[in-house]
Amino acid sequence: DTAVSQTPKYLVTQMGNDKSIKCEQNLGHDTMYWYKQDSKKFLKIMFSYNNKELIINETVPNRFSPKSPDKAHLNLHINSLELGDSAVYFCASSSGRQEQFFGPGTRLTVL
Amino acid sequence: GDSVTQMEGPVTLSEEAFLTINCTYTATGYPSLFWYVQYPGEGLQLLLKATKADDKGSNKGFEATYRKETTSFHLEKGSVQVSDSAVYFCALSHSGNTPLVFGKGTRLSVIA
Repeated sequence: DTAVSQTPKYLVTQMGNDKSIKCEQNLGHDTMYWYKQDSKKFLKIMFSYNNKELIINETVPNRFSPKSPDKAHLNLHINSLELGDSAVYFCASSSGRQEQFFGPGTRLTVL
Repeated sequence: GDSVTQMEGPVTLSEEAFLTINCTYTATGYPSLFWYVQYPGEGLQLLLKATKADDKGSNKGFEATYRKETTSFHLEKGSVQVSDSAVYFCALSHSGNTPLVFGKGTRLSVIA
């Protein structure tokens, strides 16, 4: 069974569109994250949720809105997509042990 | 704020060569340190970790020692294989469920 899964794996869309990426973890973790990996492979935290509550929001444009319907899911909705949003987005989860488990990533391409 | 600096890549080695990827960090307190690996087209996998000074993390022939005095966590492997070709990320986090702070990654290519 996949520990952290994301859908879709690839997402190609036009500028101005709204899109969502879904993430689910079956590890029983209480904290979930979204990271963005840019074209140079640099990884940076976007959001962190603990028990469905937003903990960290790192200077991300408000076009990005995470939603956590329950502890096992953290979805990312992006409004009015821009060229600069093209990246790979990784979901991750952890428990108190600190080790984070990552999903396979969603490659977003904005045309 | 916290930061991680790792050597610029890419690093190209012949099979069975010795590997070192340098990593230093700046952080308050005593963070936990990690090495993650990203194989082509895949997500990140934890390679090894160390949670306190002088701890040595090891996995799949890779090792790294948490050196508080030099704020370093260098990754080493005695004999690399073609299958080790990947991007390696050094990272840190503080206690609790806090996000990882990553270095910029080092791409390793191992040729037969």
